[in-house]
Amino acid sequence: QVQLQESGPGLVEPSQTLSLTCTVSGGSISSGHYYWSWIRQPAGKGLEWIGRIYTSGSTNYNPSLKSRVTISVDTSKNQFSLKLSSVTAADTAVYYCARSWGGNSYWFDPWGQGTLVTVSS
Amino acid sequence: QSALTQPASVSGSPGQSITISCTGTSSDVGGYNYVSWYQQHPGKAPKLMIYDVSNRPSGVSNRFSGSKSGNTASLTISGLQAEDEAVYYCNSYTSSIFYVFGTGTKVTVL
Repeated sequence: QVQLQESGPGLVEPSQTLSLTCTVSGGSISSGHYYWSWIRQPAGKGLEWIGRIYTSGSTNYNPSLKSRVTISVDTSKNQFSLKLSSVTAADTAVYYCARSWGGNSYWFDPWGQGTLVTVSS
Repeated sequence: QSALTQPASVSGSPGQSITISCTGTSSDVGGYNYVSWYQQHPGKAPKLMIYDVSNRPSGVSNRFSGSKSGNTASLTISGLQAEDEAVYYCNSYTSSIFYVFGTGTKVTVL
């Protein structure tokens, strides 16, 4: 079955750009009618949807983060990526990638295991 | 867009049934049948338990069920087991930002 795995630096300095990659295995990122999302969770807090991308490259972002977020896809590598610019300590969180349905249904399954990103100098 | 409102904690004894509520507005929970529920054990990624208000993915126990009335969705766990102890999050489609999560509910098995 499809599995997702996040990767990237665990420590980012304030004002810099956070960059993460999600590798999809067990299936093609281009097959089916799916969006690919990023979601984050600060320690001890709830979940926040960051944004999503379709394999065509079409994106949607959470308006609260839209000015700083870029999500891209590389179908040749079966990966999609997140860039979050001008980070502050408030961006410290576990970042998850997840698959979501591209039709008239809105859910996330499966999820990656998550990767902790700490913003600190 | 504010997070959907869930009780901070719910508890029950093994074998009992518990219900977790998820309250939103007519712009999210009340306006669409796109509520999903996730179970998260400590240090683990969330797991999809219910989608489209009341549908269970393959492999999820039939002890988990979902429903909705007006602006409030509910997740019921029947025959509570020790392994059900976790934090549960609801999620709804919203016309403003696509996805909004609930505040999370910690379920304790007494």
